[in-house]
Amino acid sequence: QKEVEQNSGPLSVPEGAIASLNCTYSDRGSQSFFWYRQYSGKSPELIMFIYSNGDKEDGRFTAQLNKASQYVSLLIRDSQPSDSATYLCAVNDHTDKLIFGTGTRLQVFP
Amino acid sequence: EPEVTQTPSHQVTQMGQEVILRCVPISNHLYFYWYRQILGQKVEFLVSFYNNEISEKSEIFDDQFSVERPDGSNFTLKIRSTKLEDSAMYFCASSPNSGANVLTFGAGSRLTVL
Repeated sequence: QKEVEQNSGPLSVPEGAIASLNCTYSDRGSQSFFWYRQYSGKSPELIMFIYSNGDKEDGRFTAQLNKASQYVSLLIRDSQPSDSATYLCAVNDHTDKLIFGTGTRLQVFP
Repeated sequence: EPEVTQTPSHQVTQMGQEVILRCVPISNHLYFYWYRQILGQKVEFLVSFYNNEISEKSEIFDDQFSVERPDGSNFTLKIRSTKLEDSAMYFCASSPNSGANVLTFGAGSRLTVL
């Protein structure tokens, strides 16, 4: 059974701080890694994807992948109250399906 | 910005009834998906669809489920005889590429089975 694990949180950070969200996965054959943001009652929205070991930056977001440790993380710099949401880690092994984690709830307080 | 459109946004049905959830994927996308999310739980893959046939399905997608692309724009999920445990948010998604890359999700259809 392929699993994606996330701490459910909530992770509370003050406005302007760096939020660090973590995810581990069980399948070493996983090839593609995604971070989605889901506001309460809404659908998942893609924030970033990463395929290669190392860091990938997009604006305030940085995704980090370590395939040897089967670990992927998302850093959010200069966190804003509007970043408060559940962040879903998802993994794909080049089949047609994404396997999602349960998500980490992030709370950014003013 | 192109979007995936789903209808209805909320459907309430009696156990044992048939339900059809509808989706209009992004027009130049070729790969279509249904996922579901039971309240408070993770998003789960149901089925993927390409070139007018199912390309992959999960163990959740049993004989009571079916998908269809009846015309050039709609993509439907039918649940033949609903059960209480089918109550969930159902998300349609589409992608221009295979391998579940860069999915765009619709807003979802909330199904409540009484």
